[in-house]
Amino acid sequence: SAVISQKPSRDICQRGTSLTIQCQVDSQVTMMFWYRQQPGQSLTLIATANQGSEATYESGFVIDKFPISRPNLTFSTLTVSNMSPEDSSIYLCSVEKGEGEPQHFGDGTRLSIL
Amino acid sequence: GESVGLHLPTLSVQEGDNSIINCAYSNSASDYFIWYKQESGKGPQFIIDIRSNMDKRQGQRVTVLLNKTVKHLSLQIAATQPGDSAVYFCAEPGPDAGNMLTFGGGTRLMVKP
Repeated sequence: SAVISQKPSRDICQRGTSLTIQCQVDSQVTMMFWYRQQPGQSLTLIATANQGSEATYESGFVIDKFPISRPNLTFSTLTVSNMSPEDSSIYLCSVEKGEGEPQHFGDGTRLSIL
Repeated sequence: GESVGLHLPTLSVQEGDNSIINCAYSNSASDYFIWYKQESGKGPQFIIDIRSNMDKRQGQRVTVLLNKTVKHLSLQIAATQPGDSAVYFCAEPGPDAGNMLTFGGGTRLMVKP
């Protein structure tokens, strides 16, 4: 499976600031996704990162709050904008190498907002 | 440690016993299911998957059973070890077109030595 690296692994941020999380894969993948995992809960898909075009957002998530980039087949970023304590969560990148293959996850970014 | 799994149902088993983790899914049209294991401080790790044309699939020490009639999925872990302690999630394709996954609520497995 692909090796997925997320940076930063954790951060503590001030309310009202923004943070960009990076996801780097060691090989080209067809699909990249961003999930949120709130404390004690399961994973919720934020958006699908599309190469060369705007991300596809799930209900409840908007581009102004979670802008996403995917400039190539191995890299994507997620920005959490204008953060509030409710954004404290684990943010996870996942990738799918090809059709019919399972998604594999990075180790996540643990974000705390004061 | 992480707060993942704090509010999740917990299964406690003795080391060496077999574990069975259950999952009910909602979409009768789902044709693919995945089990993930999430250890503290890490992302979900792929364990095993199964397609809807199968009832059973075996891996190393793990077996997944699929009952489409009652929309039920189970993960069986043989000879459970302390390293199996983690939160386990089942996942199925999301309701919309595309490759998104919908995750179940998760079960925390605790292995007693």
